[in-house]
Amino acid sequence: DAKTTQPTSMDCAEGRAANLPCNHSTISGNEYVYWYRQIHSQGPQYIIHGLKNNETNEMASLIITEDRKSSTLILPHATLRDTAVYYCIVRVYGGSQGNLIFGKGTKLSVKP
Amino acid sequence: NAGVTQTPKFRVLKTGQSMTLLCAQDMNHEYMYWYRQDPGMGLRLIHYSVGEGTTAKGEVPDGYNVSRLKKQNFLLGLESAAPSQTSVYFCASGSRDNTQYFGPGTRLTVL
Repeated sequence: DAKTTQPTSMDCAEGRAANLPCNHSTISGNEYVYWYRQIHSQGPQYIIHGLKNNETNEMASLIITEDRKSSTLILPHATLRDTAVYYCIVRVYGGSQGNLIFGKGTKLSVKP
Repeated sequence: NAGVTQTPKFRVLKTGQSMTLLCAQDMNHEYMYWYRQDPGMGLRLIHYSVGEGTTAKGEVPDGYNVSRLKKQNFLLGLESAAPSQTSVYFCASGSRDNTQYFGPGTRLTVL
């Protein structure tokens, strides 16, 4: 699986958009980008995933660059409850093992 | 629809004791996983299962055993607990698209 690089921490003002970057320059053609988050002491929560097109759901938007070497997770109107560690994971879709490899992630702090 | 549930939520063991952690899911997922998370670290895969009756080792399987007798349940066993197994244990279930749903975790302390 391709390695991902994320900033260690970020701050965001409540009500503003939070843009979390992720670099995955060695991503291969059959690998998807997944985003999960972990709110303190809770189990990780799936947010969104995509291959090459931009994706949006009720939680967030995922923007993947045309060369697929980087992506950005966008939380359009961050709230205090969005304070969490956000993980960017690159994984082959439908891999036989299916486990996720969690790195250190980005600690997002939403401030009032 | 409860999703993924884990039992117990907390447990304190003495070195050498045994215990079983239970994970249950009601989403009819084929895949189930056990991860552990130590302070300041990401999750590491212990064991996983791609279907009823099948299990496989993950990244850190030593000291643990698992069983998947029913599709909805995945059990993690510690035969002889050690202080190094003090951790938070998360169970997850999912399908082949790598969308996984996690339980609330079990906080285990081994003295």
